[in-house]
Amino acid sequence: SYVLTQPPSVSVAPGKTARITCGGNNIGSKSVHWYQQKPGQAPVLVVYDDSDRPSGIPERFSGSNSGNTATLTISRVEAGDEADYYCQVWDSSSDRVVFGGGTKLTVL
Amino acid sequence: QLQLQESGPGLVKPSETLSLTCTVSGGSISSSSYYWGWIRQPPGKGLEWIGSIYYSGSTYYNPSLKSRVTISVDTSKNQFSLKLSSVTAADTAVYYCARQDKAYYYGMDVWGQGTTVTVSS
Repeated sequence: SYVLTQPPSVSVAPGKTARITCGGNNIGSKSVHWYQQKPGQAPVLVVYDDSDRPSGIPERFSGSNSGNTATLTISRVEAGDEADYYCQVWDSSSDRVVFGGGTKLTVL
Repeated sequence: QLQLQESGPGLVKPSETLSLTCTVSGGSISSSSYYWGWIRQPPGKGLEWIGSIYYSGSTYYNPSLKSRVTISVDTSKNQFSLKLSSVTAADTAVYYCARQDKAYYYGMDVWGQGTTVTVSS
């Protein structure tokens, strides 16, 4: 079965750039989506189809995907960006949704 | 604006069947553009996809739960439902419903607020 691997935690100072990775076998051939989840809240889609942003999501959030790694980049990080972030793909070989294990972003 | 709302018992006894409903408002569940999914999150853990359904009744299930899961749709009520049988404490979680966009490989762009289900006698 297809597996997505994320680092458990990433720390960044305010105003700096955070990069959260999502590893998977040839993930570059798949469409990757990213979700932000704050404590006690439902997840929110922040990037879809590798690099597109839904309406209302700041331009500070961007994504890329190539080879075996997809990356969510958050520029000019703010305290309000502190949250758990999950990557997700559709695995067409097994017809199922796959989530990464999640990454806790801490703003120092 | 599309909204999803989960409903159902917050407490289920071990070995019984968990039943939840997701009501869609502000849009039609019969749209050809979307699937509708169930996702859960055990306390302190990550997201786990349970399964998804199309308005026609076509379904996809997580293989690890497939033997215990049934997802159905009622287009007349604009609802879809989840049944999970033979529950144990490991099924204690927040359960979310979400809309999945077919055009973007089932990305989940609208989520319900989630409902907490505890399995305990």
